[in-house]
Amino acid sequence: SQQGEEDPQALSIQEGENATMNCSYKTSINNLQWYRQNSGRGLVHLILIRSNEREKHSGRLRVTLDTSKKSSSLLITASRAADTASYFCATAGQGGSEKLVFGKGTKLTVNP
Amino acid sequence: KAGVTQTPRYLIKTRGQQVTLSCSPISGHRSVSWYQQTPGQGLQFLFEYFSETQRNKGNFPGRFSGRQFSNSRSEMNVSTLELGDSALYLCASSARQGKETQYFGPGTRLLVL
Repeated sequence: SQQGEEDPQALSIQEGENATMNCSYKTSINNLQWYRQNSGRGLVHLILIRSNEREKHSGRLRVTLDTSKKSSSLLITASRAADTASYFCATAGQGGSEKLVFGKGTKLTVNP
Repeated sequence: KAGVTQTPRYLIKTRGQQVTLSCSPISGHRSVSWYQQTPGQGLQFLFEYFSETQRNKGNFPGRFSGRQFSNSRSEMNVSTLELGDSALYLCASSARQGKETQYFGPGTRLLVL
């Protein structure tokens, strides 16, 4: 079963606007990761945030984590047409042999 | 470093056949995970290998199997193909087992007719 659930399923914005995607999960986590996938290709790792961290930045990306609400958000600022892709959150549990579990993704379209 | 490579990139098979997909991880990475991606089910974990041992397995039938070699290269095999096995099969490698950053290959797109 899927652990992370992204919201919204699809998002369409204009170039230059900010895009916010949310991820909710059910059980305690070791870390939460965000990935991007361009149409039909492999996933690219964007950022990893650990359970004891609240916020992380990488370039135009800002990720927050609220473990009390079991949720995370990914903010892309000043979006570009090249940001058009599907974005997935993935959670890693706290057990010794836990695997990454991916959500179904948010499809982001940035219109030029 | 070279990225994760997967071969072949595209494959067309018929029902009942079997298929073997190959994945070469990033040099030095000992963990290889396999995922199946379909429009309906999304990304589903198949299995993970670390140091030639299967460490985790997803909820897939026994027709799906894999192995890892001493050089960390991995193969997955699907026997008795079904139409529903049509999917993008993604391989990912990481330096350590399981939970850390995964580096994905471009995938193998399998079409079963």
